[in-house]
Amino acid sequence: SQQGEEDPQALSIQEGENATMNCSYKTSINNLQWYRQNSGRGLVHLILIRSNEREKHSGRLRVTLDTSKKSSSLLITASRAADTASYFCATRNSGYSTLTFGKGTMLLVSP
Amino acid sequence: DTGVSQNPRHKITKRGQNVTFRCDPISEHNRLYWYRQTLGQGPEFLTYFQNEAQLEKSRLLSDRFSAERPKGSFSTLEIQRTEQGDSAMYLCASSIQDPGVNEQFFGPGTRLTVL
Repeated sequence: SQQGEEDPQALSIQEGENATMNCSYKTSINNLQWYRQNSGRGLVHLILIRSNEREKHSGRLRVTLDTSKKSSSLLITASRAADTASYFCATRNSGYSTLTFGKGTMLLVSP
Repeated sequence: DTGVSQNPRHKITKRGQNVTFRCDPISEHNRLYWYRQTLGQGPEFLTYFQNEAQLEKSRLLSDRFSAERPKGSFSTLEIQRTEQGDSAMYLCASSIQDPGVNEQFFGPGTRLTVL
Protein backbone atom coordinates (compact mmCIF):
# COMPACT_ATOMS: atom_id res chain seq x y z
CA SER A 1 0.00 0.00 0.00
CA GLN A 2 1.10 3.57 -0.51
CA GLN A 3 2.35 5.49 2.44
CA GLY A 4 2.02 9.07 1.40
CA GLU A 5 -0.13 11.50 -0.42
CA GLU A 6 1.29 14.19 -2.64
CA ASP A 7 -0.51 17.45 -3.05
CA PRO A 8 -1.45 18.75 -5.53
CA GLN A 9 -2.04 15.84 -7.88
CA ALA A 10 -1.23 18.10 -10.81
CA LEU A 11 0.44 21.50 -11.11
CA SER A 12 0.77 23.71 -14.17
CA ILE A 13 3.06 26.74 -14.14
CA GLN A 14 5.05 29.00 -16.47
CA GLU A 15 8.80 28.83 -16.91
CA GLY A 16 10.59 30.90 -14.32
CA GLU A 17 7.93 30.41 -11.65
CA ASN A 18 8.46 28.37 -8.51
CA ALA A 19 6.74 25.02 -7.99
CA THR A 20 5.84 23.66 -4.57
CA MET A 21 4.73 20.11 -3.95
CA ASN A 22 3.70 18.64 -0.62
CA CYS A 23 3.84 15.14 0.76
CA SER A 24 2.18 13.70 3.82
CA TYR A 25 2.92 10.32 5.34
CA LYS A 26 1.59 8.16 8.14
CA THR A 27 4.26 6.32 10.08
CA SER A 28 7.61 6.99 11.73
CA ILE A 29 10.36 7.38 9.16
CA ASN A 30 14.13 7.08 8.90
CA ASN A 31 14.34 9.41 5.92
CA LEU A 32 12.25 10.88 3.12
CA GLN A 33 13.35 11.06 -0.50
CA TRP A 34 12.06 12.81 -3.58
CA TYR A 35 12.22 11.24 -7.03
CA ARG A 36 11.40 12.51 -10.50
CA GLN A 37 9.93 10.41 -13.29
CA ASN A 38 9.73 11.53 -16.87
CA SER A 39 6.82 10.16 -18.86
CA GLY A 40 6.84 6.35 -18.84
CA ARG A 41 10.43 6.05 -17.65
CA GLY A 42 12.40 5.06 -14.57
CA LEU A 43 12.76 7.23 -11.53
CA VAL A 44 15.65 9.55 -10.79
CA HIS A 45 16.66 10.32 -7.21
CA LEU A 46 16.60 14.05 -6.47
CA ILE A 47 17.22 14.62 -2.80
CA LEU A 48 17.11 12.87 0.57
CA ILE A 49 16.31 14.38 3.94
CA ARG A 50 16.86 12.48 7.17
CA SER A 51 14.32 12.42 9.97
CA ASN A 52 16.53 14.63 12.17
CA GLU A 53 16.88 17.30 9.46
CA ARG A 54 14.42 20.12 8.84
CA GLU A 55 15.60 21.61 5.56
CA LYS A 56 17.94 20.68 2.74
CA HIS A 57 19.02 22.34 -0.49
CA SER A 58 20.38 20.98 -3.73
CA GLY A 59 20.75 23.38 -6.66
CA ARG A 60 17.26 24.71 -7.44
CA LEU A 61 15.64 22.24 -5.05
CA ARG A 62 14.67 22.94 -1.47
CA VAL A 63 13.13 20.25 0.73
CA THR A 64 11.61 20.71 4.15
CA LEU A 65 10.53 18.07 6.62
CA ASP A 66 8.18 18.45 9.57
CA THR A 67 8.09 15.15 11.45
CA SER A 68 5.54 16.46 13.96
CA LYS A 69 3.08 16.99 11.10
CA LYS A 70 4.40 14.03 9.12
CA SER A 71 4.80 16.20 6.06
CA SER A 72 7.43 17.36 3.58
CA SER A 73 7.54 19.90 0.80
CA LEU A 74 9.64 20.13 -2.35
CA LEU A 75 10.26 23.56 -3.85
CA ILE A 76 11.69 23.91 -7.34
CA THR A 77 12.80 27.46 -7.98
CA ALA A 78 13.01 29.17 -11.37
CA SER A 79 11.37 26.23 -13.10
CA ARG A 80 12.26 25.17 -16.63
CA ALA A 81 10.32 23.28 -19.29
CA ALA A 82 12.71 20.36 -18.68
CA ASP A 83 11.35 20.09 -15.12
CA THR A 84 8.09 18.76 -16.56
CA ALA A 85 7.71 15.33 -14.95
CA SER A 86 5.99 13.46 -12.14
CA TYR A 87 7.47 13.93 -8.70
CA PHE A 88 7.18 11.31 -5.98
CA CYS A 89 8.03 11.36 -2.34
CA ALA A 90 9.20 8.10 -0.82
CA THR A 91 9.68 7.27 2.81
CA ARG A 92 12.06 4.83 4.34
CA ASN A 93 10.09 3.73 7.36
CA SER A 94 11.82 3.07 10.65
CA GLY A 95 12.93 -0.54 10.92
CA TYR A 96 12.60 -1.24 7.21
CA SER A 97 15.02 -1.16 4.29
CA THR A 98 12.48 -0.53 1.56
CA LEU A 99 10.84 2.63 0.25
CA THR A 100 7.14 3.45 0.24
CA PHE A 101 6.08 5.86 -2.49
CA GLY A 102 3.22 8.31 -2.72
CA LYS A 103 1.02 8.72 -5.77
CA GLY A 104 2.97 11.64 -7.16
CA THR A 105 2.45 15.18 -8.42
CA MET A 106 2.42 15.78 -12.17
CA LEU A 107 4.23 19.04 -12.92
CA LEU A 108 3.81 20.79 -16.25
CA VAL A 109 6.09 23.74 -16.95
CA SER A 110 5.11 25.71 -20.01
CA PRO A 111 7.65 27.79 -21.96
CA ASP B 1 26.46 2.65 -19.45
CA THR B 2 26.86 1.65 -15.80
CA GLY B 3 23.27 2.26 -14.71
CA VAL B 4 20.56 -0.27 -13.93
CA SER B 5 19.34 -2.05 -17.05
CA GLN B 6 16.15 -4.00 -17.60
CA ASN B 7 15.08 -6.34 -20.37
CA PRO B 8 12.84 -6.45 -22.21
CA ARG B 9 11.60 -2.87 -22.20
CA HIS B 10 8.18 -3.91 -23.41
CA LYS B 11 6.34 -7.22 -23.26
CA ILE B 12 2.93 -8.04 -24.67
CA THR B 13 1.51 -11.41 -23.76
CA LYS B 14 -1.76 -13.26 -23.70
CA ARG B 15 -3.55 -14.05 -20.48
CA GLY B 16 -2.35 -17.34 -19.02
CA GLN B 17 1.17 -17.15 -20.45
CA ASN B 18 4.31 -16.97 -18.34
CA VAL B 19 6.71 -14.04 -18.61
CA THR B 20 10.17 -13.39 -17.25
CA PHE B 21 11.94 -10.08 -16.81
CA ARG B 22 15.60 -9.46 -16.16
CA CYS B 23 17.34 -6.74 -14.18
CA ASP B 24 21.05 -5.99 -14.13
CA PRO B 25 21.92 -3.71 -11.21
CA ILE B 26 24.84 -1.34 -10.84
CA SER B 27 27.78 -3.68 -10.36
CA GLU B 28 28.88 -2.61 -6.88
CA HIS B 29 25.34 -2.56 -5.46
CA ASN B 30 24.48 -5.53 -3.29
CA ARG B 31 20.80 -4.66 -2.86
CA LEU B 32 18.23 -5.12 -5.59
CA TYR B 33 14.55 -4.19 -5.47
CA TRP B 34 11.51 -4.90 -7.62
CA TYR B 35 8.55 -2.53 -7.80
CA ARG B 36 5.32 -2.45 -9.78
CA GLN B 37 3.77 0.77 -11.03
CA THR B 38 0.34 1.18 -12.55
CA LEU B 39 -0.91 4.23 -14.40
CA GLY B 40 -1.31 7.27 -12.20
CA GLN B 41 0.20 5.57 -9.15
CA GLY B 42 3.56 5.56 -7.47
CA PRO B 43 5.76 2.46 -7.47
CA GLU B 44 4.68 -0.29 -5.09
CA PHE B 45 7.31 -2.47 -3.48
CA LEU B 46 7.30 -6.15 -4.44
CA THR B 47 10.50 -7.70 -3.10
CA TYR B 48 14.16 -7.08 -2.42
CA PHE B 49 17.43 -8.97 -2.28
CA GLN B 50 20.62 -8.45 -0.39
CA ASN B 51 23.20 -10.31 -2.43
CA GLU B 52 21.46 -13.59 -3.33
CA ALA B 53 19.14 -13.65 -0.30
CA GLN B 54 15.53 -12.55 -0.75
CA LEU B 55 14.95 -10.62 2.46
CA GLU B 56 11.45 -9.23 2.10
CA LYS B 57 8.36 -9.86 0.02
CA SER B 58 5.27 -7.70 -0.21
CA ARG B 59 1.75 -9.08 0.17
CA LEU B 60 1.37 -7.91 -3.44
CA LEU B 61 3.66 -10.73 -4.51
CA SER B 62 1.19 -13.53 -5.08
CA ASP B 63 2.14 -17.18 -5.55
CA ARG B 64 2.25 -16.57 -9.30
CA PHE B 65 5.21 -14.25 -8.87
CA SER B 66 8.72 -15.48 -8.19
CA ALA B 67 12.00 -13.61 -8.11
CA GLU B 68 15.54 -14.88 -8.03
CA ARG B 69 19.02 -13.49 -7.79
CA PRO B 70 21.09 -16.64 -8.06
CA LYS B 71 24.61 -15.24 -7.94
CA GLY B 72 23.93 -11.97 -6.25
CA SER B 73 24.26 -10.06 -9.51
CA PHE B 74 21.36 -9.95 -12.01
CA SER B 75 17.81 -10.81 -10.98
CA THR B 76 14.80 -12.28 -12.74
CA LEU B 77 11.12 -11.75 -11.99
CA GLU B 78 8.76 -14.38 -13.36
CA ILE B 79 5.00 -14.12 -13.51
CA GLN B 80 3.16 -17.35 -14.15
CA ARG B 81 -0.33 -17.63 -15.61
CA THR B 82 -0.51 -13.89 -16.27
CA GLU B 83 -3.75 -12.02 -15.68
CA GLN B 84 -4.92 -8.73 -17.13
CA GLY B 85 -4.46 -7.15 -13.72
CA ASP B 86 -0.73 -7.85 -14.00
CA SER B 87 -0.44 -5.19 -16.71
CA ALA B 88 1.90 -2.58 -15.29
CA MET B 89 5.40 -1.17 -15.41
CA TYR B 90 7.85 -3.36 -13.50
CA LEU B 91 10.74 -1.37 -12.11
CA CYS B 92 14.02 -2.62 -10.76
CA ALA B 93 16.31 -0.60 -8.52
CA SER B 94 19.60 -1.20 -6.79
CA SER B 95 21.49 0.34 -3.91
CA ILE B 96 24.43 -0.17 -1.62
CA GLN B 97 23.85 -1.51 1.85
CA ASP B 98 23.75 1.69 3.86
CA PRO B 99 21.52 1.65 6.94
CA GLY B 100 21.33 5.41 7.03
CA VAL B 101 20.60 6.30 3.44
CA ASN B 102 19.10 3.77 1.03
CA GLU B 103 19.22 5.93 -2.11
CA GLN B 104 17.97 3.68 -4.86
CA PHE B 105 18.90 3.85 -8.53
CA PHE B 106 16.15 2.80 -10.89
CA GLY B 107 16.20 1.12 -14.26
CA PRO B 108 13.96 2.22 -17.16
CA GLY B 109 11.38 -0.46 -16.39
CA THR B 110 9.65 -3.24 -18.30
CA ARG B 111 6.14 -2.40 -19.45
CA LEU B 112 3.93 -5.49 -19.41
CA THR B 113 0.64 -5.63 -21.28
CA VAL B 114 -1.53 -8.69 -20.77
CA LEU B 115 -4.21 -9.11 -23.42
